[in-house]
Amino acid sequence: AQTVTQSQPEMSVQEAETVTLSCTYDTSESDYYLFWYKQPPSRQMILVIRQEAYKQQNATENRFSVNFQKAAKSFSLKISDSQLGDAAMYFCAYKDTGRRALTFGSGTRLQVQP
Amino acid sequence: KAGVTQTPRYLIKTRGQQVTLSCSPISGHRSVSWYQQTPGQGLQFLFEYFSETQRNKGNFPGRFSGRQFSNSRSEMNVSTLELGDSALYLCASSSGGATNEKLFFGSGTQLSVL
Repeated sequence: AQTVTQSQPEMSVQEAETVTLSCTYDTSESDYYLFWYKQPPSRQMILVIRQEAYKQQNATENRFSVNFQKAAKSFSLKISDSQLGDAAMYFCAYKDTGRRALTFGSGTRLQVQP
Repeated sequence: KAGVTQTPRYLIKTRGQQVTLSCSPISGHRSVSWYQQTPGQGLQFLFEYFSETQRNKGNFPGRFSGRQFSNSRSEMNVSTLELGDSALYLCASSSGGATNEKLFFGSGTQLSVL
């Protein structure tokens, strides 16, 4: 079974600084998808960024980018120019290409200090 | 477009009772997935419905069931409630096509079992 591990329960960053959240996963599949979701206090999960495993180029969405290392099964999220609104729980998630279910990590709580 | 709507937002039940949660997807979306979120187990996939048919199922006991109506609205039912069923139940909708497609989540129903 696939597993997703987020080893940082909490992280803190100063406003305008850069922070990197770590995620590792375990799978025997060669093709799959990886996601980072944000869950603010409103509880609604919001997709931040996604990466297809067959793509070598790292995904980027504005201030958010990933470092995808397929051989190492690592998928970290970098948030640049951190803003107060970035404070939330961040979940790394994995999905097989043939399945509809997401497998989530345990989450990292990000605090942004003014 | 209106987002994913889950009702009710909060629910308190006692052990042994049953409960029904509702999820209205984004207009035009045909897939609805359900997830359970607890502090101990994290986010776990319950099931996914597409065009009124259950397409995927997670590892939950038969007390957890669901259905989808012709207008794509979905309900989730938990019978014979246990204390451990206390959780945030999230639903997500999508068009139901590509497996890497973006999921749109609701704000969840917080269920407390006393």
